[in-house]
Amino acid sequence: NAGVMQNPRHLVRRRGQEARLRCSPMKGHSHVYWYRQLPEEGLKFMVYLQKENIIDESGMPKERFSAEFPKEGPSILRIQQVVRGDSAAYFCASSRVTGELFFGEGSRLTVL
Amino acid sequence: GESVGLHLPTLSVQEGDNSIINCAYSNSASDYFIWYKQESGKGPQFIIDIRSNMDKRQGQRVTVLLNKTVKHLSLQIAATQPGDSAVYFCAENPGGATNKLIFGTGTLLAVQP
Repeated sequence: NAGVMQNPRHLVRRRGQEARLRCSPMKGHSHVYWYRQLPEEGLKFMVYLQKENIIDESGMPKERFSAEFPKEGPSILRIQQVVRGDSAAYFCASSRVTGELFFGEGSRLTVL
Repeated sequence: GESVGLHLPTLSVQEGDNSIINCAYSNSASDYFIWYKQESGKGPQFIIDIRSNMDKRQGQRVTVLLNKTVKHLSLQIAATQPGDSAVYFCAENPGGATNKLIFGTGTLLAVQP
């Protein structure tokens, strides 16, 4: 049973470009969370999604950031017009309705 | 401009010794707490959890203690091994039926052989 799969593992973008990060949850998991981690800091909640629904996006910046979890396919975290401050590790996690949260290996975004 | 990096609190122990990592949590309404281990370049890995109706829970070589009076959580690792070297985070769930967690800043555990 594969774990939470994230890709790309590493992404380099220039300022102003778009970044798309993908996450496939564990089999049987219908709840997806995105967290952001700055260097030497803890993870910060961004958004919680279920299939075709955003449940809680209180941790997501109001501009340039969006997330989706379509009926088919992976969850996508999209960052438009990236700036240097967006450089971070972005972690996806999934769970069943209740229970343990399983994290992926993360996508590390570097903005030049 | 030049940025100043933050430095994680570090606990350095000898192989075979016991380690105690501490964490202060913020929300008195939190009812569920988890310790995660994060190795360099990897995602957080679940170690052990505890609910607020308990004050101690034991796993294999690990014990979590919860003191709700002072909002303090600790992780004890027995007979620390080089493979335990990592950053350890506590996380709290402020309640509700979600996994919207609040993470602490982390402690770097360095095990000396």
